[in-house]
Amino acid sequence: AQSVTQLGSHVSVSEGALVLLRCNYSSSVPPYLFWYVQYPNQGLQLLLKYTTGATLVKGINGFEAEFKKSETSFHLTKPSAHMSDAAEYFCAVTPWGGNTPLVFGKGTRLSVIA
Amino acid sequence: DAGVIQSPRHEVTEMGQEVTLRCKPISGHDYLFWYRQTMMRGLELLIYFNNNVPIDDSGMPEDRFSAKMPNASFSTLKIQPSEPRDSAVYFCASSLWEGGDNEQFFGPGTRLTVL
Repeated sequence: AQSVTQLGSHVSVSEGALVLLRCNYSSSVPPYLFWYVQYPNQGLQLLLKYTTGATLVKGINGFEAEFKKSETSFHLTKPSAHMSDAAEYFCAVTPWGGNTPLVFGKGTRLSVIA
Repeated sequence: DAGVIQSPRHEVTEMGQEVTLRCKPISGHDYLFWYRQTMMRGLELLIYFNNNVPIDDSGMPEDRFSAKMPNASFSTLKIQPSEPRDSAVYFCASSLWEGGDNEQFFGPGTRLTVL
């Protein structure tokens, strides 16, 4: 079975500061990992994904995440926060790729302070 | 591409009424997923289809919930009778099998309020 733990339901950063959103997963098989972003009253948009290969994954809007098998982590980072980054972020895992159901974390709400 | 289309965007109904949520996946996609988002439980899978056939419905809460996919371009999620605890945002997502390196595309969701 797969599960995802996102540490911190709410993270607040200043504009221009580093963004770090934490995600730890549990999976009985090599996982596929995803980060989605949800803006208010909208659906989920894919930020980035790890399937195989390079463990440092770059996504849209300047975000990146690193898959660390030894730590079972897939933390999301962005060097410099922008006001437009304020949203809800979800980490998700699936064992067989995007054609199987995603198991989501509880989400982390990111606030960016001017 | 228009993306995944869901209707209605908002639905307010009274307890005991039948509710039907609709989803049009991205053209050509062969997988369709229904998820529910609540404050208490977060995002959870209800059911998913492959080539219009239900694959896993273990997330459907109870017999009051049913889902169909009569063709590749349309799916419905029905709740009958509805209860206040069904209030949530219901998302539909679709994907295309491409050997595993793929993603699910989400619709904007239907916000359901049962009074």
